Amino acid sequence: AQTVTQSQPEMSVQEAETVTLSCTYDTSENNYYLFWYKQPPSRQMILVIRQEAYKQQNATENRFSVNFQKAAKSFSLKISDSQLGDTAMYFCAFMIDGGAQKLVFGQGTRLTINP
Amino acid sequence: GAVVSQHPSRVICKSGTSVKIECRSLDFQATTMFWYRQFPKKSLMLMATSNEGSKATYEQGVEKDKFLINHASLTLSTLTVTSAHPEDSSFYICSATEGGAGRNEKLFFGSGTQLSVL
Repeated sequence: AQTVTQSQPEMSVQEAETVTLSCTYDTSENNYYLFWYKQPPSRQMILVIRQEAYKQQNATENRFSVNFQKAAKSFSLKISDSQLGDTAMYFCAFMIDGGAQKLVFGQGTRLTINP
Repeated sequence: GAVVSQHPSRVICKSGTSVKIECRSLDFQATTMFWYRQFPKKSLMLMATSNEGSKATYEQGVEKDKFLINHASLTLSTLTVTSAHPEDSSFYICSATEGGAGRNEKLFFGSGTQLSVL
């Protein structure tokens, strides 16, 4: 079975700072996807960034980037120039490629951006 | 992007009654839909996977007679919480995917339903 672990229950930074959220996972699969989802107070799940395991290049989406270390089974999210609107719960998630498309979520990290 | 509509957004019911939650894919055909449950300040836990025209597959520990799932069309899945009790109070979220080659990882989430059982 796959597991996803987020070891930081809460984080807080000042606006414009850079923050990194950590995520580790455990799997015996070789082909899979990793995701970071944002859940703001509205509770709508929003996809932040996606990484295919077969790609060595780290995914980036504007201010969001990941550090994907496949051998270490680590998938951290870096938010640059943080904004007040980045305040949310962030979930790391795993999906097997070609499987039942089930997402396995980590416990979440509550990120607060302070003005 | 694709839109998944979930209704109602909030429902309050009396203990012992049944509640139906709908999840609709508005601009694509969802071959597979997923139902998650989220307790306050906790993560999302997958309850079941529903495929159009077939019986849902429930995760271990989820009572299929308590949480009835129907996926009768390619755009609609419903979750019925039967004989609801206060411990069923939770936030329920659906997600949907078109499935198929090259689209495996594209999941779209509904906005969730907060169920409160009195």
